[in-house]
Amino acid sequence: DVKVTQSSRYLVKRTGEKVFLECVQDMDHENMFWYRQDPGLGLRLIYFSYDVKMKEKGDIPEGYSVSREKKERFSLILESASTNQTSMYLCASSLTRGENQPQHFGDGTRLSIL
Amino acid sequence: AQSVTQLGSHVSVSEGALVLLRCNYSSSVPPYLFWYVQYPNQGLQLLLKYTTGATLVKGINGFEAEFKKSETSFHLTKPSAHMSDAAEYFCAVSGTGRRALTFGSGTRLQVQP
Repeated sequence: DVKVTQSSRYLVKRTGEKVFLECVQDMDHENMFWYRQDPGLGLRLIYFSYDVKMKEKGDIPEGYSVSREKKERFSLILESASTNQTSMYLCASSLTRGENQPQHFGDGTRLSIL
Repeated sequence: AQSVTQLGSHVSVSEGALVLLRCNYSSSVPPYLFWYVQYPNQGLQLLLKYTTGATLVKGINGFEAEFKKSETSFHLTKPSAHMSDAAEYFCAVSGTGRRALTFGSGTRLQVQP
């Protein structure tokens, strides 16, 4: 079974802090994704990566950046955290380039910015 | 561009009753369609997917969905609800050259005893 591990389940930070959310997958998947989940809005794509050091913006990239230095690890960075970034963040991975590939999700990080 | 509409943000059924969760999509190309379930404080788990072939797709936990191209729908059904089915369900679509999924806003299923 694929395992996608997010480093923290709950995180509390202050406005203006630089915040790192870490995600690791153990199945040599090519693609990795970061979504944020808000009530009534479903999941919205922040960034994704299809290879090491490669990244593409999703639908809501403003205020975020990402890093993928190794294939198994994909980090989401909040450069200067703001209260409107309080949300549930979900990491996912999928095997190959094909769009018919299902995504495998971590358990999420619930981030509160005070 | 592709989009997904899930009708009904909350659905409540009695235990043993039919579950029907609605999903309509828009896509300029034949889509790939997915249903995911999210239990409290957990990530999303794949229930089933449609890629090609048979339009009636069976998934885990007794769920199934039917791809109807003429209606641009992919509704999720289960003949008999169980208490353990209480969760949030998300429909998602891909297939226009973007590897990421586009999700609907979710439907929270409540199962009454």
